[in-house]
Amino acid sequence: EPEVTQTPSHQVTQMGQEVILRCVPISNHLYFYWYRQILGQKVEFLVSFYNNEISEKSEIFDDQFSVERPDGSNFTLKIRSTKLEDSAMYFCASSENGYTFGSGTRLTVV
Amino acid sequence: GENVEQHPSTLSVQEGDSAVIKCTYSDSASNYFPWYKQELGKGPQLIIDIRSNVGEKKDQRIAVTLNKTAKHFSLHITETQPEDSAVYFCAASMRRDDKIIFGKGTRLHILP
Repeated sequence: EPEVTQTPSHQVTQMGQEVILRCVPISNHLYFYWYRQILGQKVEFLVSFYNNEISEKSEIFDDQFSVERPDGSNFTLKIRSTKLEDSAMYFCASSENGYTFGSGTRLTVV
Repeated sequence: GENVEQHPSTLSVQEGDSAVIKCTYSDSASNYFPWYKQELGKGPQLIIDIRSNVGEKKDQRIAVTLNKTAKHFSLHITETQPEDSAVYFCAASMRRDDKIIFGKGTRLHILP
């Protein structure tokens, strides 16, 4: 069964550093998303991406966040200057009439 | 915006018994209600979904019901098995490819 692949599975970074989380969506899917889950809390929508542009973003997705589809297969989430409160599990998903989530990247900001 | 409430936060049932998880939503424009199962170290996995034009849907041991008037929907798992132990999330969306608003999750424990 096709999968959404996320790398790395775990990333530890210093506060203020930039991180890039990587995702390979399912190849024939057209819609891409990032969600995050702070430990013990609900899964929250960050951003959706369709036709090479952001289609919707939440209030969490401020200027320190950006997304990119650099080469037609990868889909990345960049956090420019990480804060302690960015520590969370970040899930990528892709959809073509229904979501498939990746296994997530656990980001720890120290 | 949409808000999804989910109860209970933790549920323990004896193996073989049924489990019921209930959710409410606030936005009457929501039309699509997926349920996800999340196992440790994995992403949410869709187990069943229901659209607003349907009141009930069943897939083997899993069923979902939707009361659009009351803005309630529920997940029913019958004949529970140890592998059903996981965190379950209800969610609401306008349509299948739209953003999803999740409930807080229910940790289901199946007791031997």
